[in-house]
Amino acid sequence: QKEVEQNSGPLSVPEGAIASLNCTYSDRVSQSFFWYRQYSGKSPELIMSIYSNGDKEDGRFTAQLNKASQYVSLLIRDSQPSDSATYLCAVRQDGKQFYFGTGTSLTVIP
Amino acid sequence: DAGVTQSPTHLIKTRGQQVTLRCSPKSGHDTVSWYQQALGQGPQFIFQYYEEEERQRGNFPDRFSGHQFPNYSSELNVNALLLGDSALYLCASSSESGDTQYFGPGTRLTVL
Repeated sequence: QKEVEQNSGPLSVPEGAIASLNCTYSDRVSQSFFWYRQYSGKSPELIMSIYSNGDKEDGRFTAQLNKASQYVSLLIRDSQPSDSATYLCAVRQDGKQFYFGTGTSLTVIP
Repeated sequence: DAGVTQSPTHLIKTRGQQVTLRCSPKSGHDTVSWYQQALGQGPQFIFQYYEEEERQRGNFPDRFSGHQFPNYSSELNVNALLLGDSALYLCASSSESGDTQYFGPGTRLTVL
């Protein structure tokens, strides 16, 4: 079983819509959760981190964490064509290595 | 404030050769992690260096080795290259006590 699983997509949404990206993880003791965005041919860049159950909002981005269900999601409101990228979910135990999912490819259609 | 830098940008090698990749961490960061990202996959953790020692290691063979220098910069060495080693190699830096890691631009390695 993979430590972190994501739907590879591709996920297509029209401009202005809400994009919903999901991630599940296998290790219940994971404590830190991250969303990275990766444009084609570029390196990952951190969008958000979340550590507690519930929602965390930053601009158009909202991360949601449910530790009981071992589930973390990312919502992108008012999606823009510039949001078209691969979104990587990463999970970490305290002081341990990061585990990344394979990423979900998002395309925002103008 | 310079971010994470890596060199070279691209590299082409043949099977059996050896390669060294270099990374300079973001200013103020003392911990360097290396990842391998194959096409269409997420980054896979190779190892992490702190205080010039390998602190953690992922599931990679001994052909993959590294080093960290007193100025916190780091090298990744891969011996006896295989075709399957072709990938984007990413360096990420962080502070020892922090969770946030920042990635460099990566080195694209092609093994022919």
